[in-house]
Amino acid sequence: QQQVKQSPQSLIVQKGGISIINCAYENTAFDYFPWYQQFPGKGPALLIAIRPDVSEKKEGRFTISFNKSAKQFSLHIMDSQPGDSATYFCAASGGSNYKLTFGKGTLLTVNP
Amino acid sequence: KAGVTQTPRYLIKTRGQQVTLSCSPISGHRSVSWYQQTPGQGLQFLFEYFSETQRNKGNFPGRFSGRQFSNSRSEMNVSTLELGDSALYLCASSLLIAGGMTDTQYFGPGTRLTVL
Repeated sequence: QQQVKQSPQSLIVQKGGISIINCAYENTAFDYFPWYQQFPGKGPALLIAIRPDVSEKKEGRFTISFNKSAKQFSLHIMDSQPGDSATYFCAASGGSNYKLTFGKGTLLTVNP
Repeated sequence: KAGVTQTPRYLIKTRGQQVTLSCSPISGHRSVSWYQQTPGQGLQFLFEYFSETQRNKGNFPGRFSGRQFSNSRSEMNVSTLELGDSALYLCASSLLIAGGMTDTQYFGPGTRLTVL
């Protein structure tokens, strides 16, 4: 059972454009929603995270939008750059379980 | 602060062998989690340790085991290796917030295991 569904699988954006990646979750016990960025040959690196007490969090060019009633959250990358080309994973955790449940990932390509 | 370190970075084993992977968490972090990453299944949770105790375990066979030492360093072991165990094994450490709230997990670079 996939508890976090991520879309799209791949995304191509022009430099300067906006990249949007969406995730939906099922478990209402989740209370922590991070996004990770992974480059080839590297481990995932935390990009930005949100808790359900806020609907939006912004850090630089990266914004998380969170809709608790719809059980959805999304990552927006403004002014996308070729250096943002990587795989992005959404994740969720919470309740009595400290594990992260990951989405399947989105391969983002930003063309120069 | 140094990040999460994992050794070795690359391993090649043959079917039936066993392997031990090591993880050193960020200084002060007491929670260590292990994940398996494959192209087909993505990132899957293996187990999590806190203060030398396994608190959570994912849906993996008993061939996968782990332990944590008093200095928070952790090892995972896979016995009787199968071809399907070829994967990137990632370790993540976390500073547990008082009250048990989920906290950020910081990942190491992973160990790339190839089973021939």
